[in-house]
Amino acid sequence: DSGVTQTPKHLITATGQRVTLRCSPRSGDLSVYWYQQSLDQGLQFLIQYYNGEERAKGNILERFSAQQFPDLHSELNLSSLELGDSALYFCASSVAFAGDTEAFFGQGTRLTVV
Amino acid sequence: GENVEQHPSTLSVQEGDSAVIKCTYSDSASNYFPWYKQELGKRPQLIIDIRSNVGEKKDQRIAVTLNKTAKHFSLHITETQPEDSAVYFCAASINGANNLFFGTGTRLTVIP
Repeated sequence: DSGVTQTPKHLITATGQRVTLRCSPRSGDLSVYWYQQSLDQGLQFLIQYYNGEERAKGNILERFSAQQFPDLHSELNLSSLELGDSALYFCASSVAFAGDTEAFFGQGTRLTVV
Repeated sequence: GENVEQHPSTLSVQEGDSAVIKCTYSDSASNYFPWYKQELGKRPQLIIDIRSNVGEKKDQRIAVTLNKTAKHFSLHITETQPEDSAVYFCAASINGANNLFFGTGTRLTVIP
């Protein structure tokens, strides 16, 4: 158990809908990262938050947004869902946003868009 | 931005043999290179990492080498066991765990 908790584990929804994925980082970790893992691709970095503020952005679609709350949990919002958004979404956390630190991954949320 | 390429995409070895997975990166500023193991349906787990001030690092049957000049790094697994079967991802970053750029993964199968 990495200490990073993601909910829900599975999510099935229809095209055009909106969903929210939730992540609770390890105790003491201030940084949260979101990654997308599709079947035909590796892990794609989406976005990073550190202590409530956005720190880095990767290949995140405009239909997707995220935030980190004062209690440090984070939510990833996916809207106007398309079939191609079906993927495993991982959250990871680390202690700091810079320097010698490693990321610990949650178990992921499997999103299926039908 | 950083581009990480990983080869091979699939690798089958006999139990007891060695396995080598190679990655190249494009950004010379990258200084942190972790390797993750992902078993089917599970989360990626860090197995070893190396920083740019080190050329080689070993942990029991696993070793990683880094060639900064050539911008490539490799994972070596010796005396492979069936439980080593998984997908392995390399990654690179200019700053610790921040904004890790992952390779596309190598599916390793260890044949008993």
